[in-house]
Amino acid sequence: EVQLVESGGGLVQPGGSLRLSCVVSGFIFSDHYMDWVRQAPGKGLEWVARSKNKANSYTTEYTASVKGRFTISRDDSKNSLYLHMSSLTTEDTAVYYCARAADYGDFFDFWGQGTLVAVSS
Amino acid sequence: EIVLTQSPGTVSLSPGERATLSCRASQRVAGNYLAWYQQKPGQAPSLLIYEASFRATGIPDRFSGSGSGTDFTLTISRLEPEDFAVYYCQQYGGSPLTFGGGTKVDVK
Repeated sequence: EVQLVESGGGLVQPGGSLRLSCVVSGFIFSDHYMDWVRQAPGKGLEWVARSKNKANSYTTEYTASVKGRFTISRDDSKNSLYLHMSSLTTEDTAVYYCARAADYGDFFDFWGQGTLVAVSS
Repeated sequence: EIVLTQSPGTVSLSPGERATLSCRASQRVAGNYLAWYQQKPGQAPSLLIYEASFRATGIPDRFSGSGSGTDFTLTISRLEPEDFAVYYCQQYGGSPLTFGGGTKVDVK
């Protein structure tokens, strides 16, 4: 059974930093592109960042609003995906989902349950 | 960036009725690489449809996707009680990946 479990969310002050983690099981993590998608309270979904797999040199991609502030990384030996977030603003308040990109396209076939990041003073 | 506009924002229907949800793209979606997701309150989204018309594993055949180019449709042929939820489209034919704003299907 495929599982993705996020952790690391919480309350942080504007300008602060936070690191999210996603531990996966039930599939070969190293084969897959992995992404972070977020959802602000009461709003829609927004793609945040991608980590490609080893075969694609672990290339990373980011949405414009987080470039230079967020860093996605992975540790295939630990079946884990990370998102290091810095210079946080209230606009970053959201539930952050870890999602697996499908084998045959850049859509998401499995999602974690999400972790809430609240940026507030 | 490809902007996806979903309509209507909310639709109120009764169980057994047909739901027709629209997703319009600001430019052609390459390869018709468009997916649909369902999200219930307090839950993560779940995949329904990919490449515009292919049902994901385990998705019942009352869900169907159609369309090409810039206009896509998700149809639920007969609404079951568990289908009342928010539905999102997502394009993966261009970078960055983008989602529509969602359509809420609620009980009339």
